[in-house]
Amino acid sequence: KNEVEQSPQNLTAQEGEFITINCSYSVGISALHWLQQHPGGGIVSLFMLSSGKKKHGRLIATINIQEKHSSLHITASHPRDSAVYICAVRSWTDKLIFGTGTRLQVFP
Amino acid sequence: NAGVTQTPKFRVLKTGQSMTLLCAQDMNHEYMYWYRQDPGMGLRLIHYSVGEGTTAKGEVPDGYNVSRLKKQNFLLGLESAAPSQTSVYFCASSVGRDRGVTYEQYFGPGTRLTVT
Repeated sequence: KNEVEQSPQNLTAQEGEFITINCSYSVGISALHWLQQHPGGGIVSLFMLSSGKKKHGRLIATINIQEKHSSLHITASHPRDSAVYICAVRSWTDKLIFGTGTRLQVFP
Repeated sequence: NAGVTQTPKFRVLKTGQSMTLLCAQDMNHEYMYWYRQDPGMGLRLIHYSVGEGTTAKGEVPDGYNVSRLKKQNFLLGLESAAPSQTSVYFCASSVGRDRGVTYEQYFGPGTRLTVT
């Protein structure tokens, strides 16, 4: 079993829909990262959080440390949100463990 | 600032050939990392460096060597390429860890390597 599991693996949505991507992990962590990888391949860090909730524009990330679970929400989705979203956790030894990603396609 | 850059963007090698991938960052970051990304798998750490002149093995170091002679550059070498090394390689850098605070990583655009 992977130490970081994301669901769903693939997600399609219509423009404007509210989207949720989930990440569960099985190790102790000091922080959790959400990353975005566009079709061109580049990876951008969206959030780094260790508790509670963070918001940036239409993106919201939450984490529940007790349940070892995080969610990434996208409100009012847009075709430009189409990308692979990657969850990564930072272990207490500073190692980053990556999930396999969720491929999101938003259609107009 | 260019951020993190990688050279080359694409490369095709024959089995047994050697090559070096160059990663450069202009953010004065202490920590630098090399990852590989394969279909159906998460990014995996090959080697990393916590400062100029230092390197350490990551999760999948076999078949690769690295050097960090200058703070801004981190080189990844393949001495004798194998088809199993066909992958997309990402470099990343970060401020590192300061008094218990962990900082985010900034990624380069990736290098797509095919070994035939």
